[in-house]
Amino acid sequence: RKEVEQDPGPFNVPEGATVAFNCTYSNSASQSFFWYRQDCRKEPKLLMSVYSSGNEDGRFTAQLNRASQYISLLIRDSKLSDSATYLCVVNRGGGSQGNLIFGKGTKLSVKP
Amino acid sequence: DAGVTQSPTHLIKTRGQQVTLRCSPKSGHDTVSWYQQALGQGPQFIFQYYEEEERQRGNFPDRFSGHQFPNYSSELNVNALLLGDSALYLCASSFGRQGEQFFGPGTRLTVL
Repeated sequence: RKEVEQDPGPFNVPEGATVAFNCTYSNSASQSFFWYRQDCRKEPKLLMSVYSSGNEDGRFTAQLNRASQYISLLIRDSKLSDSATYLCVVNRGGGSQGNLIFGKGTKLSVKP
Repeated sequence: DAGVTQSPTHLIKTRGQQVTLRCSPKSGHDTVSWYQQALGQGPQFIFQYYEEEERQRGNFPDRFSGHQFPNYSSELNVNALLLGDSALYLCASSFGRQGEQFFGPGTRLTVL
């Protein structure tokens, strides 16, 4: 079993749609959680960190459920520019500081 | 303020050869992590350098080695290249081992 698993996708949605990505992680010692965005043939860029209390940044909302080891990302009012691959990322912490574990990524295509 | 830079951008090698990839961290950063991203996969952690020493290592063979210089720049060396080493190699820098990681544009290595 992969340490970080995501919806396989791809997600093809019209502009204005709401889309949700889900992710599970297997290591209960994981301490930090993130969503990264990666455009085609580009480097990953941090979209947002994920906190237990949930956090929102404009149209983007991230949630963390430590008991279920589940992370989600909600994008409201999708824009064409949201088309990218979204990577769920976990940092184990403890003796593994700085070691980011990436999911395979979920590709999102927003169509006009 | 220059971000993370990597060189070269692209590289083509043949099986059995050796390759050196280079990374200059973002200004003010002292920690460099290297990742391998195969096509269609999320990045996989190779190792992390801090204070010129390898601090953590992922599940990669000894053919993968690195170095960090006093100016915090880093090199990734891969010996005895295999076809399966073809990938995008990403360097990420941070301030401290737990800091937010900023990725460079990557080096795309093709092994023929």
